[in-house]
Amino acid sequence: GNSVTQMEGPVTLSEEAFLTINCTYTATGYPSLFWYVQYPGEGLQLLLKATKADDKGSNKGFEATYRKETTSFHLEKGSVQVSDSAVYFCALTGAGSYQLTFGKGTKLSVIP
Amino acid sequence: DAGITQSPRHKVTETGTPVTLRCHQTENHRYMYWYRQDPGHGLRLIHYSYGVKDTDKGEVSDGYSVSRSKTEDFLLTLESATSSQTSVYFCAIHPGGSGVDNEQFFGPGTRLTVL
Repeated sequence: GNSVTQMEGPVTLSEEAFLTINCTYTATGYPSLFWYVQYPGEGLQLLLKATKADDKGSNKGFEATYRKETTSFHLEKGSVQVSDSAVYFCALTGAGSYQLTFGKGTKLSVIP
Repeated sequence: DAGITQSPRHKVTETGTPVTLRCHQTENHRYMYWYRQDPGHGLRLIHYSYGVKDTDKGEVSDGYSVSRSKTEDFLLTLESATSSQTSVYFCAIHPGGSGVDNEQFFGPGTRLTVL
């Protein structure tokens, strides 16, 4: 079956630091890949997505590139802000499906 | 924001009592989902619906049932709540189809505590 593995947290960074959260996946065929963000006390919001190999998703300064050769979709941001403090989830949908399979989440705290 | 509401937002109940959580959408989306979120597990799919009266099990369906009698409402029932069902429950919706902007939208969550 499908699975997603993302780096364990929590991650604590200083403001303006570079962020990488690793995500690798196992799936048959060609899944679509997603990063969701959950701010404290809220539901999940889609941050970015990529639907085919070599696609780059981007939003709010965050980027992730769909790498089929390494089955990875790492999240990056060049300069984090305090407002980026949240839990980040990597997820996928299998080919022809809308069902999401999530990683366990990575909690990011950004300190001034 | 997608029109999804969940009720109640918080509930404390006792072991062995029945509990029903409601998800209501105003988007007329075909697909609806119930997830539970637990530390160290991320979100796990409980049940989902692909239309009125059409439902199927997810990864962690034991102890849960669902019903969807109208497009806009998807109910999750714990027939006899147990402490292991203490969790945060999220509803999500998806329009179906393959549009590039199609995505799952999540509700605000229900925090359930079973004592």
